[in-house]
Amino acid sequence: EVHLVDSGGGLVQPGGSLRLSCAASGFTLSNYNMNWVRQAPGKGLEWVSYISESGNTMYYADSVKGRFTISRDNAENSLYLQMNSLRAEDTAVYYCARGAWAFGDVWGQGTTVTVSS
Amino acid sequence: DVVMTQSPLSLPVTLGQPASISCRSSQGLVHSDGKTYLNWFQQRPGQSPRRLLYRVSNRDSGVPDRFSGSGSGTDFTLEISRVEAEDVGVYYCMQATHWPRTFGQGTKVEIK
Repeated sequence: EVHLVDSGGGLVQPGGSLRLSCAASGFTLSNYNMNWVRQAPGKGLEWVSYISESGNTMYYADSVKGRFTISRDNAENSLYLQMNSLRAEDTAVYYCARGAWAFGDVWGQGTTVTVSS
Repeated sequence: DVVMTQSPLSLPVTLGQPASISCRSSQGLVHSDGKTYLNWFQQRPGQSPRRLLYRVSNRDSGVPDRFSGSGSGTDFTLEISRVEAEDVGVYYCMQATHWPRTFGQGTKVEIK
């Protein structure tokens, strides 16, 4: 069965860093483009970042550009999101999601990031 | 950025009755490959989003046929032919034609 498992969330102070992971099972990650999507408490969905199958192309939302870095390790079947200079407004549940134009056929369960002093 | 505007934002429905959600985009969603990448997602309380429909009207595996999608250009619609209790949740449209990807605000479906 196809699964994505998100991990790495937690409580971090403003200005701090966190690295999220997304582990794929049941399919070969290297065959798929991948994304991170977040959802602030009580709010809607916000696309955060995209990485191509090979890892050569990345896109970011303006709200995270210059602070977040998406990467992948196809050998480990894993996707990552390095988050630096975190702000209170980055507090959200972060989901990894599969696909580019065929976006979102598989989602992780989400990992919660709380930025607070 | 392409702005996705859903209406209504709240939709109380009676069990067994139909429901309809509108989604309008600020730009056309036809990709250079000729396809329209407009998707619909359902998010039940406490769960991850689940894709229901892709490219306007194609149902994902396991999605009941009471869900249907239509539209073109900048106007799209999700319809539920007969609402069931398990359909309670928030529904989002999302465009995957342009960068950045953008979602609608969400429509909360609840039972009257």
